[in-house]
Amino acid sequence: QVQLQESGPGLVKPSETLSLTCTVSGGSIINYYWSWIRQPPGKELEWVGSVYSSGSTNYNPSLKSRVTMSVDTSKNQFSLNLKSVTAADTAVYFCARSSGFFLYWGRGTLVTVSS
Amino acid sequence: EIVLTQSPGTLSLSPGERATLSCRASQSVSSNYLAWYQQKPGQAPRLLIYGASSRATGIPDRLSGSGSGTDFTLTISRLEPEDFAVYYCQQYGSSPWTFGQGTKVEIK
Repeated sequence: QVQLQESGPGLVKPSETLSLTCTVSGGSIINYYWSWIRQPPGKELEWVGSVYSSGSTNYNPSLKSRVTMSVDTSKNQFSLNLKSVTAADTAVYFCARSSGFFLYWGRGTLVTVSS
Repeated sequence: EIVLTQSPGTLSLSPGERATLSCRASQSVSSNYLAWYQQKPGQAPRLLIYGASSRATGIPDRLSGSGSGTDFTLTISRLEPEDFAVYYCQQYGSSPWTFGQGTKVEIK
């Protein structure tokens, strides 16, 4: 059974960079797409972007100028960097395996942007 | 970007009743690439339906998806206590992939 686990700081200051890592276990990261999805408190889900195991990426245009995703196949991990954050970036961030739809999800990690 | 509008916002029903949830797209969803998810408080979403009508592994047959083009429906034939949750639709026919705003199914 594929399992995903998000990790990273729970508090980020405004204007700084949010950095999260997702560790995949129970299966290989190779030959799959991997995504980040976020959910502000009490609101709906928003797809942030996806990265293939080769490193190719596809970002949501609404965040494209601030987002970078990467993959480390040796560690079975992929990462999200979101720069110049504001309070509007406060959300639960989920990592997931993509086939267009999302079958496997991490539990999510709350990231709060506040000074 | 395809905007998905779900209705109603909240559905108040009793166990055993039938639930019908709607998801309308602002433009046609390519290849009917539409998925449905269930989310309970404090949990990640759970995939229920993909390709508009294919049930994910382990999803009971009282849940069914239908529709095509711009109009899609999730039907729960007889509500069980574990079905009371928030449901989201998601299109993956064109980038950016987008979600609806959700329908909450609550106990009446």
